[in-house]
Amino acid sequence: KQEVTQIPAALSVPEGENLVLNCSFTDSAIYNLQWFRQDPGKGLTSLLLIQSSQREQTSGRLNASLDKSSGRSTLYIAASQPGDSATYLCAVRPNDYKLSFGAGTTVTVRA
Amino acid sequence: GAVVSQHPSRVICKSGTSVKIECRSLDFQATTMFWYRQFPKQSLMLMATSNEGSKATYEQGVEKDKFLINHASLTLSTLTVTSAHPEDSSFYICSAKYTFSTDTQYFGPGTRLTVL
Repeated sequence: KQEVTQIPAALSVPEGENLVLNCSFTDSAIYNLQWFRQDPGKGLTSLLLIQSSQREQTSGRLNASLDKSSGRSTLYIAASQPGDSATYLCAVRPNDYKLSFGAGTTVTVRA
Repeated sequence: GAVVSQHPSRVICKSGTSVKIECRSLDFQATTMFWYRQFPKQSLMLMATSNEGSKATYEQGVEKDKFLINHASLTLSTLTVTSAHPEDSSFYICSAKYTFSTDTQYFGPGTRLTVL
């Protein structure tokens, strides 16, 4: 069974600092990996999706890397802003459509 | 595009009653929808996969007689929590997979269920 772990569980940084969020998974046989943002009491917003054949994806200040063989992904957020405060979830997808989620990293960016 | 809505956003009910939650894909057809539940500070756990016109597939440990899922059209799936108890209180989120997409699930905003 796929286990997805996110470390740290919570993170607090001053505005402007770069954020590094980690995700690890136990079964490297994945189809893709996705990073989501969840605001309190809200649904999920997809940030980046990395196919298993890719090493990284970038969107604006966000960059996600994937090392499938070691079962790791990292989400980098450059020059953090208070609006980046949220919970960030990673999810891996095997060959079917069932996503396995980590518990998330809750980020607080202090102004 | 690719908007998924859920109704209601919040519901409070008494123990023993049944609650229905709707998940709609507003601007696309979704042959497959997924239902998740999320406890505070925990990850989303897949409850069941709902396919239009057929029976839902439940994950291990999820009681299919308690969580009734109906996917009667390409844009609507419903989750009914029957005889709800306080331990069913949770955040329920649905997602929908665009019929012709192999990758992307679009998530609804979630429904907060509180059972008194």
